[in-house]
Amino acid sequence: SAVISQKPSRDICQRGTSLTIQCQVDSQVTMMFWYRQQPGQSLTLIATANQGSEATYESGFVIDKFPISRPNLTFSTLTVSNMSPEDSSIYLCSESRNTEAFFGQGTRLTVV
Amino acid sequence: QQQVKQSPQSLIVQKGGISIINCAYENTAFDYFPWYQQFPGKGPALLIAIRPDVSEKKEGRFTISFNKSAKQFSLHIMDSQPGDSATYFCAGRGGSNYKLTFGKGTLLTVNP
Repeated sequence: SAVISQKPSRDICQRGTSLTIQCQVDSQVTMMFWYRQQPGQSLTLIATANQGSEATYESGFVIDKFPISRPNLTFSTLTVSNMSPEDSSIYLCSESRNTEAFFGQGTRLTVV
Repeated sequence: QQQVKQSPQSLIVQKGGISIINCAYENTAFDYFPWYQQFPGKGPALLIAIRPDVSEKKEGRFTISFNKSAKQFSLHIMDSQPGDSATYFCAGRGGSNYKLTFGKGTLLTVNP
């Protein structure tokens, strides 16, 4: 299985500020993904992080709110911008290699 | 539009019993169906997965049954143990984009 490291593991942030979450994968992968899991809910895909090009966002998610970087094949960042309490969630990084998809441990974000 | 419907929402089973979780999908382009296990405070961990050209896959106490014509698949946990208590998510994925669509999850509680 893959090793995916996310930082920070949790944070408490003031509304109106921004938080950048880092995701490091143990080997080069073509596709990386960012998901959101709201409290007690399932996982919702935010965007696909493409190396060398802009991220592809799902319906309901926009680049201004969730800018994503993918500088190389092992690393990606997700920024949650201008945060509000509604952004309190777990944010998960994922990668797919071959057929299987693996997840990081997640970043638990609380906005106060 | 929810593309993967999962039931039940919660399940209580006695130790040694069989836990059964069901999922139904709508997108016929799906060609990969994983199950994830998530403990509180952790990211989802890949448990077992199946492709539609196989009707059943077994790994230890965990079995996936797949019915392509009915567009349904299920997870069976044999000899359920208290350590199996977690939230289980089914998912579907299709095409070259490797995006996962998740069910809403099932909270499994195995009583000792």
